[in-house]
Amino acid sequence: AQTVTQSQPEMSVQEAETVTLSCTYDTSESDYYLFWYKQPPSRQMILVIRQEAYKQQNATENRFSVNFQKAAKSFSLKISDSQLGDAAMYFCAYRKNTDKLIFGTGTRLQVFP
Amino acid sequence: DTAVSQTPKYLVTQMGNDKSIKCEQNLGHDTMYWYKQDSKKFLKIMFSYNNKELIINETVPNRFSPKSPDKAHLNLHINSLELGDSAVYFCASSRLGQRSSYNEQFFGPGTRLTVL
Repeated sequence: AQTVTQSQPEMSVQEAETVTLSCTYDTSESDYYLFWYKQPPSRQMILVIRQEAYKQQNATENRFSVNFQKAAKSFSLKISDSQLGDAAMYFCAYRKNTDKLIFGTGTRLQVFP
Repeated sequence: DTAVSQTPKYLVTQMGNDKSIKCEQNLGHDTMYWYKQDSKKFLKIMFSYNNKELIINETVPNRFSPKSPDKAHLNLHINSLELGDSAVYFCASSRLGQRSSYNEQFFGPGTRLTVL
């Protein structure tokens, strides 16, 4: 069965600095999708960034980028120029084709001014 | 324009009661999901429907019964509520499509259920 592991329950960063959130996963599939979701205190689940496993190029969305290492089954999220509004729970998620999302346990990110 | 909506957003009830949570999406998607987020923030799939057909049914007690009257709606009915059912329940929807669509899942705002 596929699993997703986030080993950092909490992280903190100074405003304007860069932080990296870790995620590893386990799967025997070769074709799948990986996602990072943000959940602020409002509890709304917001898609931050996504990566298709067959693409070697790392995805980038403005200040958010990923480091996708397929062989190592690693999918970390880098947030550059951190802002107070980035404070939230961040969930790494895996999905095989059109199947369900499998989530990691989440990382709580605090941003200090 | 709300893409995925859930009602109610908050639900407080007594143990043993029966309650329903409703979900509607106006995105034209054909697949809908129910996820449960427990007190430790862990999110897990419960059910998934595609074109009104149940396609995912994780290990969920029989007290939970999803119903999809049409592609735009997926309701969750819970019988004989227990303390352990307290959680946030999220509805989501997506389109089963080609690779290029990413099949992104759009989430509703969640329903916080508290069982006393």
